Amino acid sequence: DAGVTQSPTHLIKTRGQQVTLRCSPKSGHDTVSWYQQALGQGPQFIFQYYEEEERQRGNFPDRFSGHQFPNYSSELNVNALLLGDSALYLCASRHDRNYGYTFGSGTRLTVV
Amino acid sequence: DAKTTQPNSMESNEEEPVHLPCNHSTISGTDYIHWYRQLPSQGPEYVIHGLTSNVNNRMASLAIAEDRKSSTLILHRATLRDAAVYYCILRDEAGNTGKLIFGQGTTLQVKP
Repeated sequence: DAGVTQSPTHLIKTRGQQVTLRCSPKSGHDTVSWYQQALGQGPQFIFQYYEEEERQRGNFPDRFSGHQFPNYSSELNVNALLLGDSALYLCASRHDRNYGYTFGSGTRLTVV
Repeated sequence: DAKTTQPNSMESNEEEPVHLPCNHSTISGTDYIHWYRQLPSQGPEYVIHGLTSNVNNRMASLAIAEDRKSSTLILHRATLRDAAVYYCILRDEAGNTGKLIFGQGTTLQVKP
């Protein structure tokens, strides 16, 4: 049973560019959350999607946006990239509040 | 958002029990206590969670103080594979989004 799949695994972008990261949740999971993890820090919540709608958002600017598709997969878009956006971006999914989240291995984004 | 406080690092010997403490004095009534761990180059992995009562599963035990202001993750017999960053997390169920609020975590070293 495949867990959470994220693509690409690594990405290098130039400051000012835009990037799209993709996530396929674990089979049977309908809720997807995105987190940003800077080097040496714990992950920070970006937002969560359920039924194709953004349900809650963390303290991130509007440059960060997302989408969830009918098959529950999700995208994270970041516009006007800054050097400070360099981080590991993690996708997590779950089916029910009584269970934990399953995380993907993340996408390592480097902005130069 | 309620926050957690954990020691930065701990050491353990292989095959000995490990008690990882966590303080969460500002926990609210809707916050679940979750523990995740993260191995190098991987996303966080769910370990265990609870609300008020102590919990056991195949990976670990979770002991929750009566006032819920602290908790302890117990690994009954540490192995080398248990070396990781352990995060004590409050899952905010207000609004039913269940976002995870990560802290800095405890880096556990296991010595053979």
